[in-house]
Amino acid sequence: GQNIDQPTEMTATEGAIVQINCTYQTSGFNGLFWYQQHAGEAPTFLSYNVLDGLEEKGRFSSFLSRSKGYSYLLLKELQMKDSASYLCAVRPYYNQGGKLIFGQGTELSVKP
Amino acid sequence: GAVVSQHPSRVICKSGTSVKIECRSLDFQATTMFWYRQFPKQSLMLMATSNEGSKATYEQGVEKDKFLINHASLTLSTLTVTSAHPEDSSFYICSAETGTIYNEQFFGPGTRLTVL
Repeated sequence: GQNIDQPTEMTATEGAIVQINCTYQTSGFNGLFWYQQHAGEAPTFLSYNVLDGLEEKGRFSSFLSRSKGYSYLLLKELQMKDSASYLCAVRPYYNQGGKLIFGQGTELSVKP
Repeated sequence: GAVVSQHPSRVICKSGTSVKIECRSLDFQATTMFWYRQFPKQSLMLMATSNEGSKATYEQGVEKDKFLINHASLTLSTLTVTSAHPEDSSFYICSAETGTIYNEQFFGPGTRLTVL
């Protein structure tokens, strides 16, 4: 089966750094995605990892360890607008139309 | 960047009626589109993979006769919820593969379906 785990909720302070973890057990692996979703809106693409290591993109960074089935999303210099749900998604196969399996999402609340 | 639209954004219907939701890729061609549903405070659940010119591939537990998918062109996929019931009320989101280096999915804005 496919299993992706993330914490349900996290709280952090404006200006701080927060790390959102994701662990996965899937029948295959062809990339891991992080998406941000504000309430009532569609998810927006944040990052993609397929090789081990850190990918940095402005205030957002994402890390992957394939041997551990582990990824994290790091958000720096938190802003109030970063309050949203963060979804970890794995693409198990490339030849199944690239379908994604999503974790349950982590609801991040940024406090002043 | 890649833009995906959905129509309608919100629909309220009576139980027993059918509802059609359109998903369009506006500035790129999408051989493959995906349909998800999302319940409040839950993650996206893949319903089906929509392939242009061929039958959709449904996920386990999704009734293909209830959720009809048609991918008639490289820019349009439609989801029809037939004989809708209150338990079908949900947020339906489509996505399309971009074919870029990451081949990430871009999502439409979603359709809020309420069945009375």
